[in-house]
Order: sequence, then C-alpha cells, then structure tokens
Amino acid sequence: QKEVEQNSGPLSVPEGAIASLNCTYSDRGSQSFFWYRQYSGKSPELIMSIYSNGDKEDGRFTAQLNKASQYVSLLIRDSQPSDSATYLCAEGFQKLVFGTGTRLLVSP
Amino acid sequence: AAGVIQSPRHLIKEKRETATLKCYPIPRHDTVYWYQQGPGQDPQFLISFYEKMQSDKGSIPDRFSAQQFSDYHSELNMSSLELGDSALYFCASSLGSLDSYNEQFFGPGTRLTVL
Repeated sequence: QKEVEQNSGPLSVPEGAIASLNCTYSDRGSQSFFWYRQYSGKSPELIMSIYSNGDKEDGRFTAQLNKASQYVSLLIRDSQPSDSATYLCAEGFQKLVFGTGTRLLVSP
Repeated sequence: AAGVIQSPRHLIKEKRETATLKCYPIPRHDTVYWYQQGPGQDPQFLISFYEKMQSDKGSIPDRFSAQQFSDYHSELNMSSLELGDSALYFCASSLGSLDSYNEQFFGPGTRLTVL
C-alpha cells in the first residue's frame, strides 16, 4: 500500500466550478502536508502547505486537513482552464513522499 | 524572486557513462533535496543535505553520489548509467532546520536520457 493515495483521475470540471481533490495517508504520525501542481514535463510547483487540522485558504485555493480520518483535500474555486494539470499530494517532515497525483481537466 | 537553478536542463548519455547534475538553491536556503521522476510516476526522494551534511537518504542507487558544497550548491554524480536511469531529476531547496517543517521549492529539472 502506497503511503499517500490519490485518485489518478482525470477529474473533469467546467470552467468556474469548484474542483475537489482528495488524498489519504497511512502514517498516523505524519504532521506536514503539501499540495503541488505539475504541468506535463515541468517541475512541481508548491500551492499550499498545511500542518494543523482544519482549513487553510489562499486565494482560490483551500486546503483541508483531518488527521483523525487521515485525509487531506484541496479545493479550487472558480476553476480555470489554466488550472488543468496534475495535482500532487505530499507528506513529509524533511523528505517528501508523494501520491501518484490527480489529473485535473477544466473545460472552457 | 530567485528560484532554484539546475543545469544542464537536458542531458543525453550512453549506457555505462557518467553524468553530473548541478543544483543552485534559492539564496539563503540551506537544505537541498534530490528527486527522480520516471515517466508517468511521482517524484521519488533520493537524498538531501542540510548545511553541507547529508541529512537523509532514500532510494538512491549505490552508483549515485551527491554532495553539497560550501556555497550550498549541490551536485548529483551518476556513474555506470543504465537505461532505467532515464528520468527527470529535480532539485528542491528549503530554508530551515532539521526539526522544522520545510516548504520545498523545486527547480526546473534535468531531463536525463540514457541511450
């Protein structure tokens, strides 16, 4: 079992909708979580980090962490075609362990 | 803002050759991480350095070695290259100590092709 699990997708949403991306992790001791966006052939780009239970908002992005249920989610409001990419969930104190990523497709 | 710099961006080598990848972290960042990403896969952690000392080691083959220099740049040396080493190699950097949560910022990567 992979330590960080994501649905590979693709997740298709229309422009302007809310995209909801989910991630579960197996290590109850995990403390820090990150969402990265990766366009094909490009490097991962940090979107959000979250360390405490609850929500963290930054612009159109909201990260949610529930340590009791061992899941992390990322909400993207007002999705744009330029948001179409693979979203990687990662956990780690120093080295990062990534999920396989969820491919998001936002249609105009 | 300055980002992580990696060189070269593309590298083509023959089997059994050696390769050296370079990484220049964001200014004032003291920790460097190396990741390998194969086609259609997620990035896999290889090795990291904090203040010029190896801080963690992942699934790095014995054929690979790395170090961090006094100016904090890092080099990943790869010897006896195999076809399976063809991948994107990312360097990331962060600012922080070994006991804090560190946001990692990735460089553009080096695409290594082994023929």
